[in-house]
Amino acid sequence: GAVVSQHPSWVICKSGTSVKIECRSLDFQATTMFWYRQFPKQSLMLMATSNEGSKATYEQGVEKDKFLINHASLTLSTLTVTSAHPEDSSFYICSASRQGGQETQYFGPGTRLLVL
Amino acid sequence: DAKTTQPPSMDCAEGRAANLPCNHSTISGNEYVYWYRQIHSQGPQYIIHGLKNNETNEMASLIITEDRKSSTLILPHATLRDTAVYYCIVYGQNFVFGPGTRLSVLP
Repeated sequence: GAVVSQHPSWVICKSGTSVKIECRSLDFQATTMFWYRQFPKQSLMLMATSNEGSKATYEQGVEKDKFLINHASLTLSTLTVTSAHPEDSSFYICSASRQGGQETQYFGPGTRLLVL
Repeated sequence: DAKTTQPPSMDCAEGRAANLPCNHSTISGNEYVYWYRQIHSQGPQYIIHGLKNNETNEMASLIITEDRKSSTLILPHATLRDTAVYYCIVYGQNFVFGPGTRLSVLP
């Protein structure tokens, strides 16, 4: 139980285009989903927290207009990187928890984005 | 969120127990200790968590000191597939990932 998937696993795009990444909880309903970013040889950094049906809460320094997050259902959250640039190239990882607070987070396999 | 301190790297012989320490001296009374691991180019995998009592599951054991200022993750019989970065996280409001411990299981 507690499986989280992400799609796509790999994406290469041209600078200036937008990329959408999906995060799905496959066998449970996720009230809260999280989006992280990980640069090479660094640890995960939380980008934003989203609760189903409400606006995402972004961490300091993360541009909400650039990283659009939608959590329209209890099993799906999407992250759209708008007008992607090479510096946005990174490993994007989502996680999901049944509830907020201190509930265990289950992580997806990650999406590797390369912007040319 | 309380800060954690872990050794940057450790080696362990295959088949032996791997004991990974974590210091969290500023932990608050209602904050849980979580352990995750990340194998190269994959998302973090949940291992175990606890509040005050020691915990054991099919993957590992978690020993938390009585004052809760430190804990140890024990992999009882390490295999080559346990080679990964192990993260100790004190869960208050957010999961804050530190650099973790890179565990290398050697044949």
